[in-house]
Amino acid sequence: AQKITQTQPGMFVQEKEAVTLDCTYDTSDPSYGLFWYKQPSSGEMIFLIYQGSYDQQNATEGRYSLNFQKARKSANLVISASQLGDSAMYFCAMRVTNTGNQFYFGTGTSLTVIP
Amino acid sequence: DGGITQSPKYLFRKEGQNVTLSCEQNLNHDAMYWYRQDPGQGLRLIYYSQIVNDFQKGDIAEGYSVSREKKESFPLTVTSAQKNPTAFYLCATSYDFPGRNEQFFGPGTRLTVL
Repeated sequence: AQKITQTQPGMFVQEKEAVTLDCTYDTSDPSYGLFWYKQPSSGEMIFLIYQGSYDQQNATEGRYSLNFQKARKSANLVISASQLGDSAMYFCAMRVTNTGNQFYFGTGTSLTVIP
Repeated sequence: DGGITQSPKYLFRKEGQNVTLSCEQNLNHDAMYWYRQDPGQGLRLIYYSQIVNDFQKGDIAEGYSVSREKKESFPLTVTSAQKNPTAFYLCATSYDFPGRNEQFFGPGTRLTVL
């Protein structure tokens, strides 16, 4: 069975500080991709960053980086220099090649950036 | 502009009525998905389709139906059999091969049953 777990329902961070959002996953398939999405209060889903299971280096996209620890099956999102506009829900997702490319989502983490 | 459109943005339904939510895309993506999101919750998969005229049930398909007659369109019907349909519905698309092929999402439809 495929599963994504986000154990932090809510997080707070001071503006300009860094924050780590946790994500662990479970799959027995060696080929998979991990994604992070941001959902502001407007409801739109915004793609942030991708990590492939065979990628040797951690993914980075601007202020976002993914701390990929394959042996621990974790894919934590790190946001550096937090901004007020980063306040949103954040979802971790996994796509497993041998399950018809279905996506599996975690329950999300609500991030609040404090001025 | 390339993208995904969902209509309507807000939808109100009386109990016992069927309603159809529209999802159209011009990204030329093979795969299309429907998710349901309840307040403060994650996304739950209702149905997905990887090719025209074929679709698979997701985790919560009961009370919903879909069709995929064209590559660009994947409408979702919420039937009267769905016991608690009030929720936010998101349509998504992606290329249907592995790799860095993220899902693209539409703006969503908020359905309220009166």
